[in-house]
Amino acid sequence: SQTIHQWPATLVQPVGSPLSLECTVEGTSNPNLYWYRQAAGRGLQLLFYSVGIGQISSEVPQNLSASRPQDRQFILSSKKLLLSDSGFYLCAWSGSDLTYEQYFGPGTRLTVT
Amino acid sequence: GQQLNQSPQSMFIQEGEDVSMNCTSSSIFNTWLWYKQDPGEGPVLLIALYKAGELTSNGRLTAQFGITRKDSFLNISASIPSDVGIYFCAGQTSGTYKYIFGTGTRLKVLA
Repeated sequence: SQTIHQWPATLVQPVGSPLSLECTVEGTSNPNLYWYRQAAGRGLQLLFYSVGIGQISSEVPQNLSASRPQDRQFILSSKKLLLSDSGFYLCAWSGSDLTYEQYFGPGTRLTVT
Repeated sequence: GQQLNQSPQSMFIQEGEDVSMNCTSSSIFNTWLWYKQDPGEGPVLLIALYKAGELTSNGRLTAQFGITRKDSFLNISASIPSDVGIYFCAGQTSGTYKYIFGTGTRLKVLA
């Protein structure tokens, strides 16, 4: 069966510091990968998605970037965090075949102080 | 970004009551997904719908893919305290990789 991991689970970082959040998927090949951000009590905002290694589509121009160095690894980064980057970051995957179900990881709670 | 209209925004119900919520879109979707999110956790997929008119159940949950392909409905029968959480719908258009999410329905169950 497929599983998705995210780490760290929680993170407190000062303004101006760098960020690296990691997501890995097990049990499937060539998944589509997604990064979402969720503000407190709000819906899900799609940040980036990737349909293959090195292929990144950005949905919201901002202080973040994403990379996919390996088939089942997706990384969210920032060179300098802003207060507004605080939130709950969710990684998700879906199959690259004709399955359309999307599955989420446990999330990372980021607090920028 | 684009979002689906999901209603109601919140619901307070008594344990044992049935619950209904829906999502509407100005766009046609080929897939509808329904999720439940508990506080501090990632959304969990409840039901996936792939055909207009499709009715699918998962235990006490039943979801329907609207005939117009612009809406979907989720019903929860005989609610229990663990049904508390936020329910999200999501739609996907054929040929795209993106999912459009609803604004969420916050459900609270009073014992």
